[in-house]
Amino acid sequence: EPEVTQTPSHQVTQMGQEVILRCVPISNHLYFYWYRQILGQKVEFLVSFYNNEISEKSEIFDDQFSVERPDGSNFTLKIRSTKLEDSAMYFCASSTLAGGTGELFFGEGSRLTVL
Amino acid sequence: AQTVTQSQPEMSVQEAETVTLSCTYDTSESNYYLFWYKQPPSRQMILVIRQEAYKQQNATENRFSVNFQKAAKSFSLKISDSQLGDTAMYFCAFMSLFGNEKLTFGTGTRLTIIP
Repeated sequence: EPEVTQTPSHQVTQMGQEVILRCVPISNHLYFYWYRQILGQKVEFLVSFYNNEISEKSEIFDDQFSVERPDGSNFTLKIRSTKLEDSAMYFCASSTLAGGTGELFFGEGSRLTVL
Repeated sequence: AQTVTQSQPEMSVQEAETVTLSCTYDTSESNYYLFWYKQPPSRQMILVIRQEAYKQQNATENRFSVNFQKAAKSFSLKISDSQLGDTAMYFCAFMSLFGNEKLTFGTGTRLTIIP
């Protein structure tokens, strides 16, 4: 069964360093998402991406964050200069249709630890 | 802004019994989607069941069913004949119907099925 895959599963980085989290969505999906979950807190929406551009982003998704789909298969989340509060589990998701009409398929997550 | 509340951080139930997980939400919209997602230990979040707010009939998926009370803004999940594989974190989530692709999650309920 097709799956969304994410790498790395766990990354430890120093504050101020750049981090790139990678996702391979399901191949025929058109809509892509990043969510994050700080330990013990809710899963929060970061950004949605369609047709090679951001369709919606949350207040969390500030100038330190960027997303791109560089080669038609990978979907990446870059954090330019990590802060301690960026430590969280980051989930990638994809779907065939927009919004609630399409089921979101999630990856297993990438745990980011900022020291 | 929408909010989703899950008031039961943890629950446990004997195998084969029925369990109900609670979820309430707040929104000023009249049309939206509601979801229950399941996250087994160290695995991806997967969709359990979805309800469109404009449908009066409660959604069912095999052993999983919902009790959707629109006026009360309540969306509970009932798991019948619970199985060991149902052990997971369960998240209730809200999505607006129009022009908004983000899922708003509750804090989750950790369900343990006891053999």
